[in-house]
Amino acid sequence: DTGVSQDPRHKITKRGQNVTFRCDPISEHNRLYWYRQTLGQGPEFLTYFQNEAQLEKSRLLSDRFSAERPKGSFSTLEIQRTEQGDSAMYLCASSHQENYGYTFGSGTRLTVV
Amino acid sequence: AQSVAQPEDQVNVAEGNPLTVKCTYSVSGNPYLFWYVQYPNRGLQFLLKYITGDNLVKGSYGFEAEFNKSQTSFHLKKPSALVSDSALYFCAVHLNTGGFKTIFGAGTRLFVKA
Repeated sequence: DTGVSQDPRHKITKRGQNVTFRCDPISEHNRLYWYRQTLGQGPEFLTYFQNEAQLEKSRLLSDRFSAERPKGSFSTLEIQRTEQGDSAMYLCASSHQENYGYTFGSGTRLTVV
Repeated sequence: AQSVAQPEDQVNVAEGNPLTVKCTYSVSGNPYLFWYVQYPNRGLQFLLKYITGDNLVKGSYGFEAEFNKSQTSFHLKKPSALVSDSALYFCAVHLNTGGFKTIFGAGTRLFVKA
């Protein structure tokens, strides 16, 4: 296993367009998280899955954001009608249990122009 | 609401000297505490954690951290800094009762000068 994979690494999109990011966690990890990180800030929690169930969503996750993990394996994060304020690094992480440290992917850097 | 504070934006230390990166937290209940490191153009990497037991925990790359319940602190330490330790360090807290998210501090940039 090569760790947590995120695709794409970089995405530049025009304001108003939809974008979708993919995360492939470590295969034996049943917990998957999405975070957003802007320059000079720590990661901010967006949402959490245990297996295929989305158990928690941040208030940061407006109705333009949706995340899925259909078979409890990979996950997708979609942003509809992107805005310039959505520009950030989107991080995916996975873990086996809540008291284990997260394994993070390298992130997807989104730039909305 | 739970929160994590890293009071120093930047820490400068000479190579070979001891380093400390500070972290304080505010939660109700017993937290799980973590340190992560982020090198340029790389993802965050887990360094160490405190769940329970001995207040001094040891992690990767010679780092250790001391949990102090009365001061609600979890400072990261290393006896002898290396230039290669220069990176961005994040403290994080996970409340083990209710909720599933881990909250991260804003980060402290460590510069180790040769």
